[in-house]
Amino acid sequence: AQSVTQPDIHITVSEGASLELRCNYSYGATPYLFWYVQSPGQGLQLLLKYFSGDTLVQGIKGFEAEFKRSQSSFNLRKPSVHWSDAAEYFCAVVGGGSQGNLIFGKGTKLSVKP
Amino acid sequence: NAGVTQTPKFRILKIGQSMTLQCTQDMNHNYMYWYRQDPGMGLKLIYYSVGAGITDKGEVPNGYNVSRSTTEDFPLRLELAAPSQTSVYFCASRASGGAVNEQFFGPGTRLTVL
Repeated sequence: AQSVTQPDIHITVSEGASLELRCNYSYGATPYLFWYVQSPGQGLQLLLKYFSGDTLVQGIKGFEAEFKRSQSSFNLRKPSVHWSDAAEYFCAVVGGGSQGNLIFGKGTKLSVKP
Repeated sequence: NAGVTQTPKFRILKIGQSMTLQCTQDMNHNYMYWYRQDPGMGLKLIYYSVGAGITDKGEVPNGYNVSRSTTEDFPLRLELAAPSQTSVYFCASRASGGAVNEQFFGPGTRLTVL
């Protein structure tokens, strides 16, 4: 069965520092992978997605992610974090079958120090 | 466009009460989903629909029911509320044409069962 693991529950970085959030997936075929961000009390917003082609994907708000099939990973990166990036980040993979639902990791909460 | 709207935003229920969580989308999407989010657990699929009149169970359907009489609306019914149903509920929709299409999420309904 498909699954997503986000090993880090909570990460704190200083404003201006670089960021990498880890995501590992389990899926037999080529996965469709997503990163969503959830600000406190809000719904989820799509940051970026991967489904084929170039393994380095650019998203909104200066985020990027790299798909590495050999490591079953899809890590999210940002070169310089802003205080407004403090939020919870979810990695997801599309499940099998025709319904196309997302299977989510447990999320990584990002705190940003001034 | 309003996107995906959910009502109510907050609700407190007593054990054994029933309620309906409303979800409406104005993007003419065929696919709609209900997820629940528990702290530290990511989102889990409750029910989904691939079009008006067609619904099916997800990973955690017990205690819930859905209907889809129109393309726009996908209400979630809780019968005999239990404390285990305390959660944040998100409705999402996406266009047909492949699971790579972005899922758009509503702002969520925070439900407490006491």
